[in-house]
Amino acid sequence: NAGVMQNPRHLVRRRGQEARLRCSPMKGHSHVYWYRQLPEEGLKFMVYLQKENIIDESGMPKERFSAEFPKEGPSILRIQQVVRGDSAAYFCASSPRETQETQYFGPGTRLLVL
Amino acid sequence: ILNVEQSPQSLHVQEGDSTNFTCSFPSSNFYALHWYRWETAKSPEALFVMTLNGDEKKKGRISATLNTKEGYSYLYIKGSQPEDSATYLCAFNRGSTLGRLYFGRGTQLTVWP
Repeated sequence: NAGVMQNPRHLVRRRGQEARLRCSPMKGHSHVYWYRQLPEEGLKFMVYLQKENIIDESGMPKERFSAEFPKEGPSILRIQQVVRGDSAAYFCASSPRETQETQYFGPGTRLLVL
Repeated sequence: ILNVEQSPQSLHVQEGDSTNFTCSFPSSNFYALHWYRWETAKSPEALFVMTLNGDEKKKGRISATLNTKEGYSYLYIKGSQPEDSATYLCAFNRGSTLGRLYFGRGTQLTVWP
């Protein structure tokens, strides 16, 4: 059973460009979570999604950031008009259900904004 | 702001030593406590999920305990090996924001041969 897949693993963007990060959850998992690790900081929650629904986006910046988890295909975290402060590692996790279920993490996407 | 504190920040031990780390979290509205092991350039690997006060979990040489009333959990490693070198993260679920994990900064363990 393949684990959580994220791509790309590394992404370089210039200021003002768009970044699209993809996450394919583990087979059978319908809950996806995105976390961000800024330099010298811990993992911080961004958004929690189920298929076609955003459950909790309270950790996501209100502007330029959006996330989706369509009925078919991977979850996408989209950052428009990137700025240098968006440089971070973005991790996706999935679980079969919410509550106390273990969240299984992907390897992350390292975004560098020049 | 909900703080999850881990101590120590880093730890260096010799192979064969036993060690333990602490995770402190808010005791109100507790739902679950998670421990992860994170090696550089890899995905965080789930070790334990604990939900009940007094819970004890064990996986090989690694074990964890939980005290929800006072808001702490201990992770123990018996007879540390170099391959145990990693960052150990704890994360907390609140009852009111299910699904969202609040992470500590981690304890970085280095085991010297």
